[in-house]
Amino acid sequence: EVQLVESGGGLVQPGGSLRLSCAVSGFTFSTYSMKWVRQAPGEGLEWISYISGDTDTKTYADSVKGRFTISRDNAKRSLYLQMSSLRAEDTAVYYCARGGFGSYSMDVWGKGTTVTVSS
Amino acid sequence: QSALTQPRSVSGSPGQSVTISCTATSSDVGGSDFVSWYQHHPGKAPQLMIYDVSQRPSGVPDRFSGSKSGYTASLTISGLQAEDEADYYCCSYAGGYVFGTGTKVTVL
Repeated sequence: EVQLVESGGGLVQPGGSLRLSCAVSGFTFSTYSMKWVRQAPGEGLEWISYISGDTDTKTYADSVKGRFTISRDNAKRSLYLQMSSLRAEDTAVYYCARGGFGSYSMDVWGKGTTVTVSS
Repeated sequence: QSALTQPRSVSGSPGQSVTISCTATSSDVGGSDFVSWYQHHPGKAPQLMIYDVSQRPSGVPDRFSGSKSGYTASLTISGLQAEDEADYYCCSYAGGYVFGTGTKVTVL
């Protein structure tokens, strides 16, 4: 069974840092691109970052560019999101999602991890 | 990139059909054929329902269908069922991903 499990969320002060992880199982991780998507309280989904299977390509939404870094360890079957200079508006549930094979969709999602930025 | 505009809510009785629109305001997003749709029950993982405008992943019921005309993509749910009550988001890829504003589907 294909599974994505996020972890690492929590309460952090404004300006602080946090590292999210996404552990995957049930598929050949290195052959799929991965994304991070978030949902702020009462808001819709927002794509924030993409990484190709070979890690050669990484892209970011303007809202997090320069503050967040996406990475992956294919040997450990894990995806990461390093978040720094956190702001109140980064408060959200963060989801990792697998890129659809041969398409630009997100075909499998985790259940999310909650990040709260507050003093 | 600008957002994709969806109606805030749509509703229908069991067995009826509902259609959710997703309108782009820019040519890059509007010209993309990489439109996908996601169903999201609050507190759960979102689920892919349609990709590449009209393709249905394995396991998604065939009462879910997608289409696109000009700058507007649409998701139609035929034969509405109670379990279809959820939030639905369109998403377009044009160099980056842009999600729609989201639509709450209510089954009366």
